[in-house]
Parts: sequence; structure tokens; C-alpha cells
Amino acid sequence: DGGITQSPKYLFRKEGQNVTLSCEQNLNHDAMYWYRQDPGQGLRLIYYSQIVNDFQKGDIAEGYSVSREKKESFPLTVTSAQKNPTAFYLCASSITPAGWDRGGNQPQHFGDGTRLSIL
Amino acid sequence: GNSVTQMEGPVTLSEEAFLTINCTYTATGYPSLFWYVQYPGEGLQLLLKATKADDKGSNKGFEATYRKETTSFHLEKGSVQVSDSAVYFCALSDNTGNQFYFGTGTSLTVIP
Repeated sequence: DGGITQSPKYLFRKEGQNVTLSCEQNLNHDAMYWYRQDPGQGLRLIYYSQIVNDFQKGDIAEGYSVSREKKESFPLTVTSAQKNPTAFYLCASSITPAGWDRGGNQPQHFGDGTRLSIL
Repeated sequence: GNSVTQMEGPVTLSEEAFLTINCTYTATGYPSLFWYVQYPGEGLQLLLKATKADDKGSNKGFEATYRKETTSFHLEKGSVQVSDSAVYFCALSDNTGNQFYFGTGTSLTVIP
């Protein structure tokens, strides 16, 4: 079955530590996205990538970094500079980046999320 | 700019009641509109979509019609079940941009 796999499901970070969240998709999608979700709030975009070796900052990129060395993988690193990292992190992908398909934009497909907490 | 405004929750309904969750949007260009559902501890799942004015998206008894004149995409279901309890997100994708814009989500609890 095709889909998006996020790991781990739960992650704990110590003070001053960087942690990396994994996101892998086998849908052959071009675009990938990282969102942060806080309790009772909507999704806020951290980073997105339209093609391999290219990515752009979203609304809340400070304290985070990403890479896109392979089409199927888009890992997110939460650095020690992110002072309030406790949240639910969601990875998503879409077959074409929004705006590239004049026939109607394609939906985003989501992974099951990683819950990050501070020790 | 682009934005989505959703009806604030939480919403609590009895089983078999009628559901409406309001969603209005602001967008440039010709957006596509989506409803996603999120069950506890999981990611978002696409529920339905509409890509142009007057389109009706439907799935699992849920419906939403893309109304350009009122910039709305309200979610409806005629008879809710306990298993429909979840958080529902309205979203838009503007085809002049590269991002999705999500509402803040509406929590629905259906009681037997």
C-alpha cells in the first residue's frame, strides 16, 4: 500500500538536543510539507519542498531545518534553538505542488504524525 | 491573502442529528477546497474536495458545495454516528500559490 510513514510516533527531547523526525513516502509525490499542530489549533506550515534539493520556509521555520536529498524522504530536524518544541508534527505530500495543476489542485496526503515532548 | 475561517467548536450532537460545520474562505485566483478529518492521535485524512464553483464534494454521507458567491464550503451530514466523532478541518489550495491554508478545526462529539 502506498502512503506516508512518519517515525517515531513518540519522541522525547532533552534540553539543548537536536532531534530528527523522519518522513518517507512511496506515492511518487513531488511536493512534501511539514506542519506543526498545537492543542486546539490548526496546522502551521514549517517547511515545504516542491522538488528534490529544493525547499522553502513556511510560516514558522525558525528553530527547524530540513533536507530533501531524495524524492521520497523529507526529514525535519528540531534544533535546540526551537524553545517550545512540544507539539504534534505532521508530514504531508501531494502529487504536484499546488498551483501546477490547472485541472484542479490535488489534495495533500498526511502521515500519522509524531508527538514530540520535552524531558 | 488566503485564509479559511471555520465555525468554532466544540460541537456536540446526538446520534442521527443533522450536522453543519460552517467554512468560509478568502482567496485570490481560483482555489480548490477540501475537508479533512482527524481522529485522535492520527494524521489528517481527506474527506472530500471540490475544485471549481458549484461543485459538490461528497463521501461517507458528508457533503459540501463550493459556493463562490458566498465564498463558502459548509460541511453537512444528514445523520451523524458516534464514529463521526473527530476534528474536521476546512482547507483551500490557491492555484496561484504553493501552499495549503487550513482552518483551525472543529471538534465534533456524537453521543449515543
